[in-house]
Amino acid sequence: EIVMTQSPATLSVSPGERATLSCRASQSVSSNLAWYQQKPGQAPRLLIYGASTRATGIAARFSGSGSGTEFTLSISSLQSEDFAVYYCQQYNNWPPWTFGQGTKVEIK
Amino acid sequence: QVQLVESGGGVVHPGRSLRLSCAASGFTFSRSAMHWVRQAPGKGLEWVAVISDDGSNKYYADSVKGRFTMSRDNSKNTVHLQMNSLRAEDTAVYYCARVRGSGLFDYWGQGTLVTVSS
Repeated sequence: EIVMTQSPATLSVSPGERATLSCRASQSVSSNLAWYQQKPGQAPRLLIYGASTRATGIAARFSGSGSGTEFTLSISSLQSEDFAVYYCQQYNNWPPWTFGQGTKVEIK
Repeated sequence: QVQLVESGGGVVHPGRSLRLSCAASGFTFSRSAMHWVRQAPGKGLEWVAVISDDGSNKYYADSVKGRFTMSRDNSKNTVHLQMNSLRAEDTAVYYCARVRGSGLFDYWGQGTLVTVSS
């Protein structure tokens, strides 16, 4: 099973600042990596797939990078609606499909 | 537009059973594999089970293998999760999700809460 590890657990950022979230896989997942955003009481929403492709309707301030075992999600200028929990997920080796434990982006 | 609506959650005693359903619309259901993903209170996301588009292939997380069974009815655009021998650690919001490609969850339902408690 591929273990996904996200850091940091919590990221405190001021509105308008840049946020950088990390995700590491225990073995290579190529570019088969997705990022999801989840707000309280809501289902996760797909943000990024293929490590760097934005899903339909996702703002350009969200960008993903990386391949193999190291990945990054960047939010260039945080808006109020971006404060949420973000999960990475690998879909290269399955089953199981595995998620990171999440990074909470909170208002500083 | 794609819609996934889960139902069937509730409070159940340990050792009992529950059946969840997910009604799909807005896409060609019979061409899509479907998954269940759960989230324990205050915790992260855990993949639970998958069923192929025609129902011929199924996989389960080790944590539920032998207790949970996923099925689908393509004539009714519905998937089910039969959960037996429920444990306290099965308490979670259960989401059904449509998958694109090899495991990209592009649409999620709103979730249904299962609480296992005596």
